[in-house]
Amino acid sequence: NAGVMQNPRHLVRRRGQEARLRCSPMKGHSHVYWYRQLPEEGLKFMVYLQKENIIDESGMPKERFSAEFPKEGPSILRIQQVVRGDSAAYFCASSPWKSSYNEQFFGPGTRLTVL
Amino acid sequence: KNEVEQSPQNLTAQEGEFITINCSYSVGISALHWLQQHPGGGIVSLFMLSSGKKKHGRLIATINIQEKHSSLHITASHPRDSAVYICAVRSNYQLIWGAGTKLIIKP
Repeated sequence: NAGVMQNPRHLVRRRGQEARLRCSPMKGHSHVYWYRQLPEEGLKFMVYLQKENIIDESGMPKERFSAEFPKEGPSILRIQQVVRGDSAAYFCASSPWKSSYNEQFFGPGTRLTVL
Repeated sequence: KNEVEQSPQNLTAQEGEFITINCSYSVGISALHWLQQHPGGGIVSLFMLSSGKKKHGRLIATINIQEKHSSLHITASHPRDSAVYICAVRSNYQLIWGAGTKLIIKP
């Protein structure tokens, strides 16, 4: 039973390009969470998605960032027109249901570097 | 004031020492997580607690709901335990994160 998979593990983009980060949840998990960790800072919640639905995007920057979790395939975090300040580690976590007592399982993260 | 406070921020100890990392929170929670982040950045979930105490190998985690406080203990510490240890509390379906404790264990 594979864990949460994220790819790529490392992504380098130039300012103005687009970054696409993928997260494949654990088998049987239909809830996905994205977190961002800026250099020297703790993790910050970005968005919570279920299949085909965005449940809570209160942590997402208002512009350039979007997320989706289609019926088939991985969840995608998309950053348009990247800037240097977007350089961070982006972590995805999944859980099988919304229950507050359920543990979130984390992926290894994608390290985005914007040149 | 942060909703989740960890102490200490940095901790350096000798191999074999007993380690304690503390976490205090000010919000209502349904569960508390302890996670470990290695220098490469990967995160591993160590414990999820809603009451009492859990033990896994040399790691022990306790939580006192009334006092809104949790501790992570490492017995017989080893250099491979060197990592950032993060406390996070679950409030609704979000995790509120502490700033982490950077632990270095010297041989």
